Amino acid sequence: DQQVKQNSPSLSVQEGRISILNCDYTNSMFDYFLWYKKYPAEGPTFLISISSIKDKNEDGRFTVFLNKSAKHLSLHIVPSQPGDSAVYFCAASANSGGGADGLTFGKGTHLIIQP
Amino acid sequence: GAVVSQHPSWVICKSGTSVKIECRSLDFQATTMFWYRQFPKQSLMLMATSNEGSKATYEQGVEKDKFLINHASLTLSTLTVTSAHPEDSSFYICSARGLTGQPQHFGDGTRLSIL
Repeated sequence: DQQVKQNSPSLSVQEGRISILNCDYTNSMFDYFLWYKKYPAEGPTFLISISSIKDKNEDGRFTVFLNKSAKHLSLHIVPSQPGDSAVYFCAASANSGGGADGLTFGKGTHLIIQP
Repeated sequence: GAVVSQHPSWVICKSGTSVKIECRSLDFQATTMFWYRQFPKQSLMLMATSNEGSKATYEQGVEKDKFLINHASLTLSTLTVTSAHPEDSSFYICSARGLTGQPQHFGDGTRLSIL
């Protein structure tokens, strides 16, 4: 039973446009959400996170939106750049990530930025 | 940014062999380290959580006698797959977290193939 779902295995976006990656979760105990970016043969790299007490967090070109009632979060990248091409993982944890809680991951979305 | 080093990156060995994987936090003290496993076309799955100086906490379905975890210092955790068999072939990846509330930082993973 997947508690974190990324329903789009891949997404193709033109350079300069906005990329929107979606993630849904089922466990209402999750209160801390993260996005990781992964290149081939490398480990995931932390991008941005959001606590459930917020509905938006922004860091440069990256913004994460959280809709708790819908149990949905999204990552917006604008403008998209060729270097953004990678697999993006959505992850969640309980206890605000401050306890010794591991992360529950989605299966990832492969973002392809086309020139 | 925070750097986590994982070694080796790739192991091929015969069935029945024990394999040790090291995870080091290079530029911060990791109070908590995590071990994940990923099978093909699946998401990263948490195996166990380890805190420095104490016994690891294993997720349901993960055999603690099979996957020995040692977290002897604030910068090093090891995972030993004992008497490995072909079904243990997988991608193993560690992460480390420093202070409470900080995100987990991942190593580049270890591809384990048991013949």
